[in-house]
Amino acid sequence: DARVTQTPRHKVTEMGQEVTMRCQPILGHNTVFWYRQTMMQGLELLAYFRNRAPLDDSGMPKDRFSAEMPDATLATLKIQPSEPRDSAVYFCASGLVGQGSNQPQHFGDGTRLSIL
Amino acid sequence: AQSVTQPDIHITVSEGASLELRCNYSYGATPYLFWYVQSPGQGLQLLLKYFSGDTLVQGIKGFEAEFKRSQSSFNLRKPSVHWSDAAEYFCAVLPSGGSYIPTFGRGTSLIVHP
Repeated sequence: DARVTQTPRHKVTEMGQEVTMRCQPILGHNTVFWYRQTMMQGLELLAYFRNRAPLDDSGMPKDRFSAEMPDATLATLKIQPSEPRDSAVYFCASGLVGQGSNQPQHFGDGTRLSIL
Repeated sequence: AQSVTQPDIHITVSEGASLELRCNYSYGATPYLFWYVQSPGQGLQLLLKYFSGDTLVQGIKGFEAEFKRSQSSFNLRKPSVHWSDAAEYFCAVLPSGGSYIPTFGRGTSLIVHP
């Protein structure tokens, strides 16, 4: 089965350090989503790409977070500088929409981030 | 904007008992509807989806869900729960046009007693 691959699975670092999380979407999918999951807030949408173009990043703190898709096989989410409140599980999901063919999101297993 | 309500934060059932998890949505037209399951330490896995057609949808792991337009509901059911079904369950709504950004419910935690 095709899978969304996220790396790293776990990341522990000190406050102020740069964190980069990577996602390989399922081949052929044209949408990529970044989510953050915490006990308090649940699942929050951070960024949304369609055909590699960022369409919605309103849920993302602009001063320290950035999301990019350098090519169709790679999406990245960066935090610089990181803060303890960024500790969470970050999920990437990909899907296929439009053109008469809509497929639901498939999620990766997440990056568990701990900022000390 | 669409919204999804999962009224039960926790549900506790005995192994072998039947299960129904509730999901209500608010959207101007008929959306696409999904149920996901999340086991500890893992991502969300798609259980089933409704796009159109038959309102009773069969999914993986013995789950099914029924779309009821009049009640704006998409409840998840399983006739006999197994201990391995203990997990977090999320209902999601995807607009059938426009942005294609899904909305997720807050989730229902299923606890299974032996």
